[in-house]
Amino acid sequence: GESVGLHLPTLSVQEGDNSIINCAYSNSASDYFIWYKQESGKGPQFIIDIRSNMDKRQGQRVTVLLNKTVKHLSLQIAATQPGDSAVYFCAENPSSGYNKLIFGAGTRLAVHP
Amino acid sequence: NAGVMQNPRHLVRRRGQEARLRCSPMKGHSHVYWYRQLPEEGLKFMVYLQKENIIDESGMPKERFSAEFPKEGPSILRIQQVVRGDSAAYFCASSPPVGQFHEQYFGPGTRLTVT
Repeated sequence: GESVGLHLPTLSVQEGDNSIINCAYSNSASDYFIWYKQESGKGPQFIIDIRSNMDKRQGQRVTVLLNKTVKHLSLQIAATQPGDSAVYFCAENPSSGYNKLIFGAGTRLAVHP
Repeated sequence: NAGVMQNPRHLVRRRGQEARLRCSPMKGHSHVYWYRQLPEEGLKFMVYLQKENIIDESGMPKERFSAEFPKEGPSILRIQQVVRGDSAAYFCASSPPVGQFHEQYFGPGTRLTVT
């Protein structure tokens, strides 16, 4: 299938380890953030979201942390599995009144058995 | 419950031809967003539409690109007189009409290749 982001930064982890993917966002007024997973040849798939009035949100095996002071977002994946291999994008909504998302450049997660 | 549908999945056009990309939002969604993804880059916002209205087209190139979301039928992204630089993956997303804190659901994309 088609490759997305041939020169994206890559995070390589062993199966079963925890993964942490980081993202710096640009707009201090952004009030809603989403992490998406994109597999080769597919559209982005929602993972987890967080509003700016929170600093942590947990899902199934995933946790998002938001640090508004330094405009930093992270995605933690527990017990990483081969099926987690993909490109991960953070997206911010710059409080435009509707869901106009600004995407980060992406990080490729490679899970090795 | 079908997700966001896009067609065609792959489209090859020669320079100067027109490309028409179609997007059917999820059932019950009346907000449609188009994004473009160039190789090695993240998605870039192009346009936001509601039924029969263009709300924000700030990401659309000024020439050759247009979008519509008619009362009936899919949203259409139209690129006239395509050039090689238009080669990219074009994604459509939809969201429900209830406030701004809602995830966008993405379609599988249309991969446009201009030869």
